Amino acid sequence: EDQVTQSPEALRLQEGESSSLNCSYTVSGLRGLFWYRQDPGKGPEFLFTLYSAGEEKEKERLKATLTKKESFLHITAPKPEDSATYLCAVQSTGTASKLTFGTGTRLQVTL
Amino acid sequence: NAGVTQTPKFRVLKTGQSMTLLCAQDMNHEYMYWYRQDPGMGLRLIHYSVGEGTTAKGEVPDGYNVSRLKKQNFLLGLESAAPSQTSVYFCASSLNSNQPQHFGDGTRLSIL
Repeated sequence: EDQVTQSPEALRLQEGESSSLNCSYTVSGLRGLFWYRQDPGKGPEFLFTLYSAGEEKEKERLKATLTKKESFLHITAPKPEDSATYLCAVQSTGTASKLTFGTGTRLQVTL
Repeated sequence: NAGVTQTPKFRVLKTGQSMTLLCAQDMNHEYMYWYRQDPGMGLRLIHYSVGEGTTAKGEVPDGYNVSRLKKQNFLLGLESAAPSQTSVYFCASSLNSNQPQHFGDGTRLSIL
């Protein structure tokens, strides 16, 4: 059974204070790992897909990396508008139409 | 630029009532999905469809039915609502199984 664990559950940063969110996963065969951002009262918004260990993707202040057991979402010099819940999900080779989601990391960036 | 649209946005039901949640996408996506999101739990897949006229069970299908009569629409039905079905329901769509899923903004459903 695929499993995704995200840590920390919540993170409070000051503007400009860089940090990383962790996504640990167990899957029989990884087809893809996805990062989403979710704002309160909204649906998840797609950020990145990573397919193989060593892969990295960047978008503005966000950078996602992947190893064989975990993924990190690095946030460099965050701004208050980066405040959101960040969700990680895995897709396994055995269940191509199914994503298994973690419970998310709730990020708050203050001035 | 609508993307995935869900109706209604909010609904309160009494135990035993029935209702249908509607999802519409304008991206010509083949795949559509219904999830529920509960506090402390990740999004869980209820049912999904890989094309018009097809449906399949996800992780938590009991108490729900779905239909995909048109490619752009995916309906989620609750025949006899139970308090355990109080949740936020999200619809998503993707071009195929290799592409990321795009989500609607959810339907908040309370069952008393």
